[in-house]
Amino acid sequence: ETGVTQTPRHLVMGMTNKKSLKCEQHLGHNAMYWYKQSAKKPLELMFVYSLEERVENNSVPSRFSPECPNSSHLFLHLHTLQPEDSALYLCASSQDLSTGELFFGEGSRLTVL
Amino acid sequence: RKEVEQDPGPFNVPEGATVAFNCTYSNSASQSFFWYRQDCRKEPKLLMSVYSSGNEDGRFTAQLNRASQYISLLIRDSKLSDSATYLCVVTPRTGNQFYFGTGTSLTVIP
Repeated sequence: ETGVTQTPRHLVMGMTNKKSLKCEQHLGHNAMYWYKQSAKKPLELMFVYSLEERVENNSVPSRFSPECPNSSHLFLHLHTLQPEDSALYLCASSQDLSTGELFFGEGSRLTVL
Repeated sequence: RKEVEQDPGPFNVPEGATVAFNCTYSNSASQSFFWYRQDCRKEPKLLMSVYSSGNEDGRFTAQLNRASQYISLLIRDSKLSDSATYLCVVTPRTGNQFYFGTGTSLTVIP
C-alpha cells in the first residue's frame, strides 16, 4: 500500500458542480498539505494541517474548502470552480510541520470546463 | 522576489555527461534544503537532502553555499533514467512552508 493515496486521479467538472478530492496517508505523519501544480509554475501551497488543525491558508479562494477529520485523512471540497483552477492537486504529508521529507500522493488532475 | 529560483532549462545532455543545476533562495534564514525529482505526470519524490558540508549519493552530489544563498546538484555519468524535472526545495527557520522552485527539466539523450 502506497504511503499517500489520492482519489480520484482524474476529475472533470463543470463550473457549477460540487466535488471533493480525498487524501489518505498511511505513514503516521502529523502534518498534511494540499498543493496546486500548474504548468510552468512552482508548487503552490494551499493549506496545511498539523494534528488536524489548520495552520496555514495561503489566500486561497473560498471555492476551495479543506477538511481534516483526523490525522490520516484530508479532503479538498470544490464548489463553483473556474477554468483557471484546472491543475494537478497534490496532497502531501510529513512527520511534523515543515520538517523532514515530504511524501506526495500521485495527485488528482482536475479539469474545469 | 521569489523564495526559490531555478533555471527551468531544458537541459538536453548525452548519456554519460555531467550536468549541474543551481538554485538560489531569498531568505538567508532558511534552514533545510532538498532536491526532489518529478517524473512526467508523476508526483515529486525526495532525491536527496542537502547538508552544509555537502553530500554525495552515488552519481549525485549536492552542495550548499550559505554565503551566496544557493544550492547545487551535480549528476555524473548521466543515465537515460535521469530524465526528469528536478525541484529545489527550501524550508525557513520559522513557518509552515516548504518552498519549491519551478523545477529544472533534464533530458538525457542516447
